[in-house]
Amino acid sequence: DTEVTQTPKHLVMGMTNKKSLKCEQHMGHRAMYWYKQKAKKPPELMFVYSYEKLSINESVPSRFSPECPNSSLLNLHLHALQPEDSALYLCASSPISRTDYGYTFGSGTRLTVV
Amino acid sequence: GQQVMQIPQYQHVQEGEDFTTYCNSSTTLSNIQWYKQRPGGHPVFLIQLVKSGEVKKQKRLTFQFGEAKKNSSLHITATQTTDVGTYFCAGPRQGGKLIFGQGTELSVKP
Repeated sequence: DTEVTQTPKHLVMGMTNKKSLKCEQHMGHRAMYWYKQKAKKPPELMFVYSYEKLSINESVPSRFSPECPNSSLLNLHLHALQPEDSALYLCASSPISRTDYGYTFGSGTRLTVV
Repeated sequence: GQQVMQIPQYQHVQEGEDFTTYCNSSTTLSNIQWYKQRPGGHPVFLIQLVKSGEVKKQKRLTFQFGEAKKNSSLHITATQTTDVGTYFCAGPRQGGKLIFGQGTELSVKP
């Protein structure tokens, strides 16, 4: 299995809602990432998990809360989001948390905040 | 801050024409990666370059890493409609972060 699976593919949520994005990989990768991508822009790094521990938080607002329950799963919990948080949220993984490995990206969750 | 600059932002070509996108860094890179993102899709890893002056080929795609390891290019020979998408270079930054260039959006007219 050489895929990263993200659910849901699309999500519409109100500013008072709480929702979660899920990401799963079964490649034995020990590093997992969350990126945010706005239209016509490059992916922007949000969080890095290495061996299930948070190693990088790119000064992301606390309304985004990541969680790594085990080496295969990565969640992003969303609460009290703003319309400007609407974007494509991409999960990625790599063998370890080093930038000399190519990242495998999931197909993303397209989030709309209303 | 540390950035990876990529040009051009857009490129429109006729099918069969060649295409090149360039990536530049103000600092030396230990490696550089290239990704392709189809419209409505997600980034897909294409290749990584590590050595100074390295050239790698994948069918009609040729990737180069500069001698000073500060720039890189992706050249596509005889573009096809299947080449449509946005091509990103990505370089490592301090702290183990992979940072993407702005991307070059390629459109191919049949």
